[in-house]
Order: sequence, then C-alpha cells, then structure tokens
Amino acid sequence: AQSVTQLDSQVPVFEEAPVELRCNYSSSVSVYLFWYVQYPNQGLQLLLKYLSGSTLVKGINGFEAEFNKSQTSFHLRKPSVHISDTAEYFCAVRSGGYNKLIFGAGTRLAVHP
Amino acid sequence: DVKVTQSSRYLVKRTGEKVFLECVQDMDHENMFWYRQDPGLGLRLIYFSYDVKMKEKGDIPEGYSVSREKKERFSLILESASTNQTSMYLCAGGISSDNSPLHFGNGTRLTVT
Repeated sequence: AQSVTQLDSQVPVFEEAPVELRCNYSSSVSVYLFWYVQYPNQGLQLLLKYLSGSTLVKGINGFEAEFNKSQTSFHLRKPSVHISDTAEYFCAVRSGGYNKLIFGAGTRLAVHP
Repeated sequence: DVKVTQSSRYLVKRTGEKVFLECVQDMDHENMFWYRQDPGLGLRLIYFSYDVKMKEKGDIPEGYSVSREKKERFSLILESASTNQTSMYLCAGGISSDNSPLHFGNGTRLTVT
C-alpha cells in the first residue's frame, strides 16, 4: 500500500530564512505527488504537483519541490519565507483511480519575525 | 471560481445522535471525497464517490456512511455519533484527470459530547 511520511511535525523558522519541508513516499508504481497548504481555519489548497517530466516543480507563492525517485522523496523548499507562510503543509500521493489521495501527517510551519 | 461548500463550520452533538454533514460542489466534478483530519495523523479518507449513487470505502469507513443522490451533493452520515468521532471533517471534489487537483471545502469541526 502507498504511504507518505512527513519527517517533521513542526518547523520553526525566522522570516526571510530558507526552509525545507521533508516528504518521503512509498510506492511500487508510477507516482503522482502533491503538496497542499492549509491556512488557519481554511480548507486545503494546492501548492504544486509532480506528474511527470522535470523533477523540479515550481508552485505558487515561491515554493518549489524536487522529485527524487532514488530516494523516494519530494521535499518542499522556499528560499525566503514570509510571516504569511505560517500554515500547515501536507504532502500527498495519488493512490489508484478517481484522483484519490493519501496524505502525510502534515508539517506545521511557524515563521517568526 | 471553483467552490466546495460545507454547510456547517462547527457542530456539537451528543453521543448516540445521528449526524449529517453536508457538502455541495459547483464544479460538475464526478468525484467527491470525505476526509477526517486529526492532529498528528493528517487527513484520512473515510469514503469517496465517483458517480451518483456510487460509493467506495476509504481507509477508515467504520462508523460512517455516505449518500450521493445528486452529482453536486455528498453527505457524510454518522449513524450513532461517538466521542472518538470528534474531529475536523473535510469534503473535496475532483475529476479523474491526472492534472486536476482536489478542491476542498473549509471543513466542519464536529464535537461529540
């Protein structure tokens, strides 16, 4: 069965510092990978996705992620964070048909001034 | 703009009550999903539906049922609410295309006392 592991439950960082949120997946078949963000009191919205092609994927709000097949990882990065990036971030892998997603446990990013 | 609407933002119910959580999408999407979100566990799939009157169990269906009588509406039913069903419930809609993200509602926070 497919699964997703987010290695850090919380990541504190100062404003304008770089950040990396780590995600590893397990899958024996082709993978489609996603990062979603959840701001306080809101639903999830898509940050970026990897379906095929270039392993470096750029998303909204200056985020990017790199697909690494040999390490089964899909880490999310941003070179300089803002206070407004404070949110919970979820890594997900598509499982089977119907666009069903399996999510990781989430990483809470806290950006401090 | 795509919209998934969950009818209640907060609900408080008593143990043993029958509870209905309603979700409506305006995107004409064939697939709809119910997830529950708990701290440290991320999102876990309860049920999903790929067409009117069609449904499949997700990873944690016990204690829940669903109804999809119209394409735009997907209801989650707790037949006899229990305290361990206190959680945030998120509804999502999507299509089966690989390029399509899921669109989430803002969630219903259910407390069972």
